[in-house]
Amino acid sequence: DQQVKQNSPSLSVQEGRISILNCDYTNSMFDYFLWYKKYPAEGPTFLISISSIKDKNEDGRFTVFLNKTATHLSLHIVPSQPGDSAVYFCAASGNTGNQFYFGTGTSLTVIP
Amino acid sequence: DAGITQSPRHKVTETGTPVTLRCHQTENHRYMYWYRQDPGHGLRLIHYSYGVKDTDKGEVSDGYSVSRSKTEDFLLTLESATSSQTSVYFCAISPGPPTGELFFGEGSRLTVL
Repeated sequence: DQQVKQNSPSLSVQEGRISILNCDYTNSMFDYFLWYKKYPAEGPTFLISISSIKDKNEDGRFTVFLNKTATHLSLHIVPSQPGDSAVYFCAASGNTGNQFYFGTGTSLTVIP
Repeated sequence: DAGITQSPRHKVTETGTPVTLRCHQTENHRYMYWYRQDPGHGLRLIHYSYGVKDTDKGEVSDGYSVSRSKTEDFLLTLESATSSQTSVYFCAISPGPPTGELFFGEGSRLTVL
């Protein structure tokens, strides 16, 4: 049973606009959340993370929002650039062990 | 970039043959993981290790075994490969709590005919 879900397989956005990628989780014990970016034929690379004690974390153009009540997190990319076109995975881990659970990914296309 | 090397990067094999994928790290991280990536399933954890000779199962461990005899090496073995194990396999490493980030290798594409 998928504990981390990304319900949008794909998203297209115009260059310069905001990209919003969404992720839902079902395990309330998760306390650390991450976003990864993946280009074809490469391994995923870490983008940004957030601890459950926070509701927002910002790093340059990337901001992650966490809503623990709704068990939902989102990644905002502003402004979107063509180089942001990739598959984005959200991931979560809990305080028991160090296992990371990933969503199915959202393929973002930024149109020039 | 984290020092992670996966080998082989590409392999084609036949059903029923054994296959071993190797992950080598130069970061001295405690945790090592094997994931598989499949369309519609994202990244799924096969096995992970939290120290030398300390391993545990992940979400999709059936048909796979692992070994970790040294900090730097984590081996994934398919004892008798099946077509359902055709996938891209990623090794990842992590220093563990509290930072928690995973660093991934380049991936190994396995095709089982």
